[in-house]
Amino acid sequence: EVRLVESGGGLVQPGGSLTLSCAASGFTFSSYWMHWVRQTPGKGLEWVSRINVDGSGTNYADSVKGRFTISRDNAKNTLYLQMSSLRDEDSAVYYCARLSWDDVWGQGTTVTVSS
Amino acid sequence: QSVLTQPPTASGTPGQRVAISCSGSSSNIGSKYVYWYRQFPGTAPKLLIHSTNQRPSGVPDRFSGSKSGTSASLAISGLRFEDEADYYCAAWDDNLTGWVFGGGTKLTVL
Repeated sequence: EVRLVESGGGLVQPGGSLTLSCAASGFTFSSYWMHWVRQTPGKGLEWVSRINVDGSGTNYADSVKGRFTISRDNAKNTLYLQMSSLRDEDSAVYYCARLSWDDVWGQGTTVTVSS
Repeated sequence: QSVLTQPPTASGTPGQRVAISCSGSSSNIGSKYVYWYRQFPGTAPKLLIHSTNQRPSGVPDRFSGSKSGTSASLAISGLRFEDEADYYCAAWDDNLTGWVFGGGTKLTVL
């Protein structure tokens, strides 16, 4: 079964840091670009970042550039999102996703930034 | 404010045809493929249309996508109660060097 499972979400204070993980299974992880997409409760989807197959190329939304870092470990079939200088507006459900013609999404992990 | 503009709501009765619009610009819809996602409450989005007008395996042919200039459209024919969901359009944006999503359209089947 093709699966993505996120973890690492939680409550963090403004200015704090958090690292999300996404464990992939059931497909050749190292063959796909991977993405992080977030969704604020009751609001729409916002693309956050993507990484190429070997980790040498990344892109970020302007809203997180300089604060978030996407990375991957193909040996562990795991995608990461390091988040720092967190702001209230970063509170959201974060999805790990394979955005391709045969897309796969995780179930999401919730990040709450609050004092 | 989303880069791609969708109507916040749409509605129809069972059996009807409904179209959801998505307006963008030359740096996204005008030059790139459009993708459509459907999301039910409490679940992750799921791809409905890729490459502007292609259906992934398992998506019924009641769903179709099209594009004209810098606008795209998702059409749902033979509307069913189970089509009630949020629908999002998406595309790559060359200027932003990233994916952009529409704000989403909540479809109600009356």
